[in-house]
Amino acid sequence: QSVLTQPPSASGTPGQRVTISCSGSSSNIGSNTVNWYQQLPGTAPKLLIYSNNQRPSGVPDRFSGSKSGTSASLAISGLQSEDEADYYCAAWDDSHVVFGGGTKLTVL
Amino acid sequence: EVQLVESGGGLVQPGGSLRLSCAASGFTFSSYDMHWVRQATGKGLEWVSAIGTAGDTYYPGSVKGRFTISRENAKNSLYLQMNSLRAGDTAVYYCARGTYYYDSSGYSPFIDYWGQGTLVTVSS
Repeated sequence: QSVLTQPPSASGTPGQRVTISCSGSSSNIGSNTVNWYQQLPGTAPKLLIYSNNQRPSGVPDRFSGSKSGTSASLAISGLQSEDEADYYCAAWDDSHVVFGGGTKLTVL
Repeated sequence: EVQLVESGGGLVQPGGSLRLSCAASGFTFSSYDMHWVRQATGKGLEWVSAIGTAGDTYYPGSVKGRFTISRENAKNSLYLQMNSLRAGDTAVYYCARGTYYYDSSGYSPFIDYWGQGTLVTVSS
């Protein structure tokens, strides 16, 4: 049982906009920033979004993040086949790191 | 280029011990917090431990008292000593770097780079 709650799956067709939600509590998302990771099959996680809405260099601006209260969202616009992956949200919670259970994104 | 290379994984019996290592390069190792994160096959990410630049350590309840994280800055190396291993500890263990983003709101911690992982299997 993960501390942060994500839908187990999401899907979309090429070109569509997809959002993935991440729900927490006052001790994690409510009082700290949210980070998002992309994990392609068979590879290590890769940082996608940090501090709620900041993109590392090299991450396309099709990826965006937002946070409100104790929830956060990752949006992917102009969906591409290479976006098919697992996505995880993460936040700090009293000096500990907590992750969401992950969302498997399928590009139909 | 930041590189994190884990080693030391393998097969161990329940109740046994294992020590993982992570060799870091491409950045000033002593200036960064470091983490271990694990992932069981087909499951999500689980944070295992962290160590700050001052040597302060943090663990979740699931491994506290059994796992010990340490670092050796002179060797640019991170370690995870795992004792009293259980079947539930079977996973790929990732070494990861922690950093911070500063803005007008304060500082935001996050993990930015990950190694490729090393597999630990606990089985008789």
